[in-house]
Amino acid sequence: AQSVTQPDIHITVSEGASLELRCNYSYGATPYLFWYVQSPGQGLQLLLKYFSGDTLVQGIKGFEAEFKRSQSSFNLRKPSVHWSDAAEYFCAVGSILTGGGNKLTFGTGTQLKVEL
Amino acid sequence: DTGVSQDPRHKITKRGQNVTFRCDPISEHNRLYWYRQTLGQGPEFLTYFQNEAQLEKSRLLSDRFSAERPKGSFSTLEIQRTEQGDSAMYLCASSLAGLADPWGYQETQYFGPGTRLLVL
Repeated sequence: AQSVTQPDIHITVSEGASLELRCNYSYGATPYLFWYVQSPGQGLQLLLKYFSGDTLVQGIKGFEAEFKRSQSSFNLRKPSVHWSDAAEYFCAVGSILTGGGNKLTFGTGTQLKVEL
Repeated sequence: DTGVSQDPRHKITKRGQNVTFRCDPISEHNRLYWYRQTLGQGPEFLTYFQNEAQLEKSRLLSDRFSAERPKGSFSTLEIQRTEQGDSAMYLCASSLAGLADPWGYQETQYFGPGTRLLVL
């Protein structure tokens, strides 16, 4: 069965510093990988996704992620963090369901705090 | 595009009572998902509809849980005889199955704000 590990429960960075959130997955076939962000009172918002092709994926809000098959990783990065990036970040792997559709298996999340 | 909406946003109930949550997906979205998120955890898949057909149910979905999507539009999730362990955030997501990607490999699921349930 597929699974996702986010080893960092909390991360604190200073505004303007770079950010890397780690994600490791377990999946037998080619993984469909996603990063979502969740702010208090808001629904989960998709930042980016990887299906195939270029292993460096660009997303919204200046985020990018790199798929590394050899390390089973899909780490999220941002070169310069803004205070508004403080939120919880979830990595997920998708698996195709009967009749189509994509079941997402999420990690436990990383809570990002940004110091001004 | 008004986004996915869920009602109510918060629900407090006593153990043993029944509760029902509603999800209104983005108009024209034919796929609808329910997830449950407990404190400190990521969302966990509960069930999935394509149009009005419920195609998949997780083992997490006990007999006390039932979901419907009449006419392939809004969906309801009912929990009968609630237990304290049912306390969680219940999330709904919708997506559009397109001709270019009918199986949904690259689909984007749009999440609602969730219904937070507290069972006393």
